[in-house]
Amino acid sequence: KQEVTQIPAALSVPEGENLVLNCSFTDSAIYNLQWFRQDPGKGLTSLLLIQSSQREQTSGRLNASLDKSSGRSTLYIAASQPGDSATYLCAPPYDRSGGGADGLTFGKGTHLIIQP
Amino acid sequence: DAGVIQSPRHEVTEMGQEVTLRCKPISGHNSLFWYRQTMMRGLELLIYFNNNVPIDDSGMPEDRFSAKMPNASFSTLKIQPSEPRDSAVYFCASSDRLANYGYTFGSGTRLTVV
Repeated sequence: KQEVTQIPAALSVPEGENLVLNCSFTDSAIYNLQWFRQDPGKGLTSLLLIQSSQREQTSGRLNASLDKSSGRSTLYIAASQPGDSATYLCAPPYDRSGGGADGLTFGKGTHLIIQP
Repeated sequence: DAGVIQSPRHEVTEMGQEVTLRCKPISGHNSLFWYRQTMMRGLELLIYFNNNVPIDDSGMPEDRFSAKMPNASFSTLKIQPSEPRDSAVYFCASSDRLANYGYTFGSGTRLTVV
C-alpha cells in the first residue's frame, strides 16, 4: 500500500522567499506524480504533473522534481506571494495491478501561509 | 471543457435519509474516482471506475455506500441510510489513464448529516 509523507506539515514565511516542499512515498512503482493546491473550502487544483520518465516539470514560479528510485519529490516555489497561501498536496498513483493507473494516494499536505 | 461537474454543491440531510451525489466527468476521460475528505482522515479514495466498470471499491466504508456509473458521462454515489459520521466533502475526479494524463477534480459536495 502506498504511503505518502509531506514535510513540513505547516510553513509560515514572509513574502518573497523561495520555498521547498517535500514529499516522500513508499512504493516507487508509479507512472507519474501530481502536485495539487487546495484553498480553504475549495477543491483541488492541479499544479504540475511529472511523468515517471521525467525528472522535473516547471510552470511559472513552480518547479517540481521527481526522484522515483528514492521515492521523493520536491515542489519549489520561487519568490513566494500571499496568493500562494494554500495547502499543497502531493499524490503519486500506485500501480497495484501492473496494468496502469489506479487511484491517487494523498499525503496530509503542507499548509503554507505567506505573510504580506 | 467545463471540467468535472458535481452536484449538489452542498447537501444537508437528516440522519437516516438517503443521499445521492452526482458527478459528470470530463468528456473522453475513461477513469472516474470518488474521494472523501475529512479533517481527521484527509483525502480517502472510496471507489474508482475504468470504462464504466468498478475496479476497486475497497475504500467504501460500509455497505451503506454504493456507487454506479451507468454510462461514460455520469456517476452517482449513494449513502443509505446516512449517518452524522458521513459528514464530509465528497470529491469526484476523472482521468484519461491511457494517456497517463493527470487527474482533474470537481469542486466537491459538502455533505452535512444532522
